Amino acid sequence: EAQVTQNPRYLITVTGKKLTVTCSQNMNHEYMSWYRQDPGLGLRQIYYSMNVEVTDKGDVPEGYKVSRKEKRNFPLILESPSPNQTSLYFCASTPRGTPNQPQHFGDGTRLSIL
Amino acid sequence: AQRVTQPEKLLSVFKGAPVELKCNYSYSGSPELFWYVQYSRQRLQLLLRHISRESIKGFTADLNKGETSFHLKKPFAQEEDSAMYYCALPDDKIIFGKGTRLHILP
Repeated sequence: EAQVTQNPRYLITVTGKKLTVTCSQNMNHEYMSWYRQDPGLGLRQIYYSMNVEVTDKGDVPEGYKVSRKEKRNFPLILESPSPNQTSLYFCASTPRGTPNQPQHFGDGTRLSIL
Repeated sequence: AQRVTQPEKLLSVFKGAPVELKCNYSYSGSPELFWYVQYSRQRLQLLLRHISRESIKGFTADLNKGETSFHLKKPFAQEEDSAMYYCALPDDKIIFGKGTRLHILP
């Protein structure tokens, strides 16, 4: 089944403890992206990647890192999480190296930083 | 600058009544616009894109370049239409509107 898989789905952790949220897609998509969803703010793009080894900042990249060593994986790294990063996070992918295609979203990861 | 505005946070409509979810954009080139829907506790999924000009679940949206709008419409609301709706404008980045929660009243 074609899908975008995020792990974990839920995580409660403490300030300053490094964490990684994994994202994997099995559709050979080139473009991958991370969003955070907050009430009243909608979805905001954190980072995106047009292809392997190519990553760029979205609108809210502060406090996050990403890597794209392989086409299928696009992990989101919080080196030193803070409470303002408590949010619902979505990973998404599109077939070609631009986002002008329908995006396929993962199920989301709910992070709570205490 | 690239921008998407969804002016209504919440829209309540009676079942059977027409629905219009507003989306206005700001973009210097020729835009490609999308509507995504998120049902309760589910992932976002594509509802429709302007380039395909099709109707999905009874919804349509027409790109009006003069008014820089891409409003989502449905002639007769159904209870299962209750969801969050996001308008999106891709460039290299993707800009989403803040979303409109559609609540269909019985």
